Amino acid sequence: AQTVTQSQPEMSVQEAETVTLSCTYDTSENNYYLFWYKQPPSRQMILVIRQEAYKQQNATENRFSVNFQKAAKSFSLKISDSQLGDTAMYFCAFMKYNNNDMRFGAGTRLTVKP
Amino acid sequence: EAEVAQSPRYKITEKSQAVAFWCDPISGHATLYWYRQILGQGPELLVQFQDESVVDDSQLPKDRFSAERLKGVDSTLKIQPAELGDSAMYLCASSARISSYNSPLHFGNGTRLTVT
Repeated sequence: AQTVTQSQPEMSVQEAETVTLSCTYDTSENNYYLFWYKQPPSRQMILVIRQEAYKQQNATENRFSVNFQKAAKSFSLKISDSQLGDTAMYFCAFMKYNNNDMRFGAGTRLTVKP
Repeated sequence: EAEVAQSPRYKITEKSQAVAFWCDPISGHATLYWYRQILGQGPELLVQFQDESVVDDSQLPKDRFSAERLKGVDSTLKIQPAELGDSAMYLCASSARISSYNSPLHFGNGTRLTVT
């Protein structure tokens, strides 16, 4: 079974600074997908960024980037130039290739301080 | 932008009562999911539909939970009887097709259930 671990229950960062959220996972699969989802307070969960395991190049979406270390089974999220609107729960998720069973971590609550 | 609609937004019920949640996925999305999110935890899959068929309900407590998607569009999740441990956020999500890397999950706002 696949498990996803987010070891930081809560984090905070000053506005305009950079923060990195950690995620590790356990799998015996070689092909899989990894995702970061954001859940703002009282709002719906939205996809932030995704990575295919067979791609070595780290995914980037504007201020969001990942550090994917396949051998270490690590998938951290870096948020640059943090904004107040980045305050949310962030969930790391794993999905096997060609299988829709997405497994989520317990989440990291990020607070961006003005 | 199209959204996944869920209702009600909040539901308070007494234990042993029946409760139902409704979800309307994004138009054209064939795959629909129900997740349960206990406070402080990540979402856990309860059931997945492809059109009107159940693809995966291995984590659905079938003695008290049921889900249907009769016409392959909207879906209902029912709990009968509700227990205190069912208090959670129930999230509905949809995707265009099975392989959701290129068709990511779109989540609704959820229904927050409190069982007293």
